[in-house]
Amino acid sequence: GENVEQHPSTLSVQEGDSAVIKCTYSDSASNYFPWYKQELGKGPQLIIDIRSNVGEKKDQRIAVTLNKTAKHFSLHITETQPEDSAVYFCAASKKGSQGNLIFGKGTKLSVKP
Amino acid sequence: DVKVTQSSRYLVKRTGEKVFLECVQDMDHENMFWYRQDPGLGLRLIYFSYDVKMKEKGDIPEGYSVSREKKERFSLILESASTNQTSMYLCASDRGFTDTQYFGPGTRLTVL
Repeated sequence: GENVEQHPSTLSVQEGDSAVIKCTYSDSASNYFPWYKQELGKGPQLIIDIRSNVGEKKDQRIAVTLNKTAKHFSLHITETQPEDSAVYFCAASKKGSQGNLIFGKGTKLSVKP
Repeated sequence: DVKVTQSSRYLVKRTGEKVFLECVQDMDHENMFWYRQDPGLGLRLIYFSYDVKMKEKGDIPEGYSVSREKKERFSLILESASTNQTSMYLCASDRGFTDTQYFGPGTRLTVL
């Protein structure tokens, strides 16, 4: 079955710096890769996703890149702000497979003012 | 606006008690999911349901059961709670085949 590895487990950056979180997956048939942000006391919220037919997707300060050959994808946050502090999860699934997501173990991002 | 609600934010139970965690979604989603979240382990799927009265085991179903009598409601049942079931429980739903899951706020369960 699918396995998703996520690194690093913790990440601390200064406000205004960039943050990068990386994930690798094992099942080459996976074709959908969402990223979730979980703030303290809340459930995970989808922030961006990418499908295997594109290599990069951007939404303001957030971008995701996908390398299908190497089976890895990354989340990039530019100009970080204190409100970006949260736990971020990557996930992978096969579209059409009833939507079961396999999650990474999460990255705790701290943005210091 | 998309909404998944869970019956309790915090719950304290005693070992051996039967525990019900309720989840309701108002988006007419076909699929519903129960995860547990533990530090360093991420989100692990307990059970999921494709349709009313349908259920499938996830990765860690032992010690749990589920019920889905209505499309909008998915219940997680701990038949006899144990201390190793102390955790954060998250419910989620999606429309099926679209992959975007929407999560509830979670229930932090403590079993003493």
